[in-house]
Amino acid sequence: DTGVSQDPRHKITKRGQNVTFRCDPISEHNRLYWYRQTLGQGPEFLTYFQNEAQLEKSRLLSDRFSAERPKGSFSTLEIQRTEQGDSAMYLCAIRAGTTIDEQFFGPGTRLTVL
Amino acid sequence: GDSVTQMEGPVTLSEEAFLTINCTYTATGYPSLFWYVQYPGEGLQLLLKATKADDKGSNKGFEATYRKETTSFHLEKGSVQVSDSAVYFCALSDRAARQLTFGSGTQLTVLP
Repeated sequence: DTGVSQDPRHKITKRGQNVTFRCDPISEHNRLYWYRQTLGQGPEFLTYFQNEAQLEKSRLLSDRFSAERPKGSFSTLEIQRTEQGDSAMYLCAIRAGTTIDEQFFGPGTRLTVL
Repeated sequence: GDSVTQMEGPVTLSEEAFLTINCTYTATGYPSLFWYVQYPGEGLQLLLKATKADDKGSNKGFEATYRKETTSFHLEKGSVQVSDSAVYFCALSDRAARQLTFGSGTQLTVLP
């Protein structure tokens, strides 16, 4: 148990629909990260939060993507007007462990856009 | 920008064979280096890490040494088991810990 839950675990949607994913750390962690992993590739950084502040966004995060962490605890990632290219595993991670840069990942949400 | 290059897979070994998965990196400064493992149907798990040159990370019989002179962090295990079958990812983190940069992963299959 990494201390991070994600919901839903799987999402199938039609092209053009909006989807929202949720990430829930079990306990308070000041840093929370979102990554995207496509089939056969390593995860790619999307964005991260320090408490409720979104501090960095990847160029992969187009205008159709938005992420929030309203109270510095759980986070949501919304994709508007989904495209087939958005099909991927969306991973949430928290900073934890003994050093500043250890990250622990949730199980992910697998998105399939038809 | 930062990047990580892993040896291409898939890698297939017999049980008790020696494993090496190569990983090299490009980064400014002195990143921290990691190996993550993804077992079938499970999420990414941190396997081991090293935070400075010549550090050796180890866990579950796996080892990797941070080699600054060759910008490498090769993963090794002396005797693999069937249960080690998984995808292995090499990754680095910049010192500000803003993000992890991953390699493309290496699929390992261990046959009994």
